[in-house]
Amino acid sequence: AQSVSQHNHHVILSEAASLELGCNYSYGGTVNLFWYVQYPGQHLQLLLKYFSGDPLVKGIKGFEAEFIKSKFSFNLRKPSVQWSDTAEYFCAVNVGSSNTGKLIFGQGTTLQVKP
Amino acid sequence: DTAVSQTPKYLVTQMGNDKSIKCEQNLGHDTMYWYKQDSKKFLKIMFSYNNKELIINETVPNRFSPKSPDKAHLNLHINSLELGDSAVYFCASSHILRSAGNTEAFFGQGTRLTVV
Repeated sequence: AQSVSQHNHHVILSEAASLELGCNYSYGGTVNLFWYVQYPGQHLQLLLKYFSGDPLVKGIKGFEAEFIKSKFSFNLRKPSVQWSDTAEYFCAVNVGSSNTGKLIFGQGTTLQVKP
Repeated sequence: DTAVSQTPKYLVTQMGNDKSIKCEQNLGHDTMYWYKQDSKKFLKIMFSYNNKELIINETVPNRFSPKSPDKAHLNLHINSLELGDSAVYFCASSHILRSAGNTEAFFGQGTRLTVV
């Protein structure tokens, strides 16, 4: 069965620090990859997505992610975090051939940014 | 305009009761979903409907019954509620076929269900 693993469960950073959140998935075929953010008490919002093409994708709020097919990874990065980035971050995978739109989520990473 | 809206936002009820959560999307998507987020914030799909047809039914107790009266609505009815049903339930919608547009999922604000 496909699965998604996020290595960091809880990350604490100071403002202006750089961020990298790891995400690995287990599926050998075509995948669509997503990072969602959930601010406290709010719904999930899409940060960025990868379907095909340039493996380095840029999203909203200065976030970017790199798809490395050989490593089955899709790590999220931001060069300088802000206090407002405090949130829960979810990596998700949609199997390209499934034709169901089903998203498989990682367990999430709680990011706490200290002012 | 809210793209995916679900009601109610909070629901507190006693064990054994029956309750429903409603979801509506105005994005013109062909597929709608229900996800469950547990106390550890883990998200897992429960159901999916494509053009009113059930296409995903994960291992969910049959006390949970989704109903899709049309493409824009997907409701979730839960019978005989149990303590373990306490969670946040998210509705979402997307296109499945890339030829129809982006396949990213848009989520509602969630319904926090507390069974006491």
